[in-house]
Amino acid sequence: QVQLQESGPGLVKPSETLSLTCTVSGGSISSYSWSWIRQPPGKGLEWIGYIYYSGSTNYNSSLKSRVTISEDTSKNQFSLKLSSVTAADTAVYYCARVGYGSGSYFMDVWGKGTTVTVSS
Amino acid sequence: DIVMTQSPDSLAVSLGERATINCKSSQSVLYSSNNKNYLAWYQQKPGQPPKLLIYWASTRESGVPDRFSGSGSGTDFTLTISSLQAEDVAVYFCQQYYTTPLTFGGGTKVEIK
Repeated sequence: QVQLQESGPGLVKPSETLSLTCTVSGGSISSYSWSWIRQPPGKGLEWIGYIYYSGSTNYNSSLKSRVTISEDTSKNQFSLKLSSVTAADTAVYYCARVGYGSGSYFMDVWGKGTTVTVSS
Repeated sequence: DIVMTQSPDSLAVSLGERATINCKSSQSVLYSSNNKNYLAWYQQKPGQPPKLLIYWASTRESGVPDRFSGSGSGTDFTLTISSLQAEDVAVYFCQQYYTTPLTFGGGTKVEIK
């Protein structure tokens, strides 16, 4: 059974770059597309972007200039970088697997999430 | 962007009774070429990640109890819990995947009356 685990710093200073990694176990990262989603405290869900199984990416336009999602197939990991962070980027960050099949851009497996606080 | 609007924000239902959650999209998420609605439902319990319940508006994910059902088409969708159990206390979100950016509804909190 596929499992996802987020890792990275829990505290990031304003204007710096948030970097998170999602480690996939129980399956190959190459067979699926993968996504990042975040949830500010007490609020709803915001899609950040995904990386297709082909390696191409698609980002939320609201964050596009600051976001990079990449993958390392040798480590079975994919990563998120969000630059120039502010307090508004404080959230629980989730990595998730995108559903299999054409157009199936729902998320069927989620990591437990990691809390990132932006503060000096 | 497609805006997803859920109602109500919260509801309290007695154990064994029906719970109904609505989700409305600002434009149709029905793809005419395959007649599929690009709409999913998730359940999120406190301190946990969301869990996929329903996709293609009405297809239950494997392992999801059959008391959960999804219906609707175009812009109006419903998640129904036919007989509420204590373990169903959670926040429920809808999500459209018709186009990017993928967007979610604001969530509906379900509690026991």
